[in-house]
Amino acid sequence: GENVEQHPSTLSVQEGDSAVIKCTYSDSASNYFPWYKQELGKRPQLIIDIRSNVGEKKDQRIAVTLNKTAKHFSLHITETQPEDSAVYFCAAMVQGGSEKLVFGKGTKLTVNP
Amino acid sequence: SQTIHQWPATLVQPVGSPLSLECTVEGTSNPNLYWYRQAAGRGLQLLFYSVGIGQISSEVPQNLSASRPQDRQFILSSKKLLLSDSGFYLCAWSKTPTYEQYFGPGTRLTVT
Repeated sequence: GENVEQHPSTLSVQEGDSAVIKCTYSDSASNYFPWYKQELGKRPQLIIDIRSNVGEKKDQRIAVTLNKTAKHFSLHITETQPEDSAVYFCAAMVQGGSEKLVFGKGTKLTVNP
Repeated sequence: SQTIHQWPATLVQPVGSPLSLECTVEGTSNPNLYWYRQAAGRGLQLLFYSVGIGQISSEVPQNLSASRPQDRQFILSSKKLLLSDSGFYLCAWSKTPTYEQYFGPGTRLTVT
């Protein structure tokens, strides 16, 4: 079955710096890759996603890149702000009709003012 | 627009007691529905998913069960809670073919 590895597990940056979180997946048939942001005590929120027919997608300060050959995708946050501090999860969709997501273990991002 | 509700928001239950958590979705029909559990400081573990009324698939065999009595209602149950059942229970929905999965506000369960 699908397996998703996420690195790093913790990331600390200074306000204004960029942050990059990387994920690898195992099933070459996967074609949908979302990223979620979870603030302390809250539900995960979908912040951006990418499908396998696209190599990069941007939304203001966040972007996601996908390399299907290497089976990895990354989240890029530019000009980080303290409110970006949260746990970020990547996921890959399992093929087969259920639209199940397999999640990475999360990255705790801390943006220091 | 679509809205997903979960209740209760918090729950404290003794070991061995039963459990019933409810999730409902508004503003869509025939959604895919999911139950996840998140232990403190940990990742998201998929427990059950459903692609239609009465259709439940279990991901992790344990003392929990799920039911979908109506199109937009998903229930998580247990006959006897264990200490290890403590955690943050999240319901989510998605709609073919967009794949986007949205989470409910969650139920924080503490088993004492």
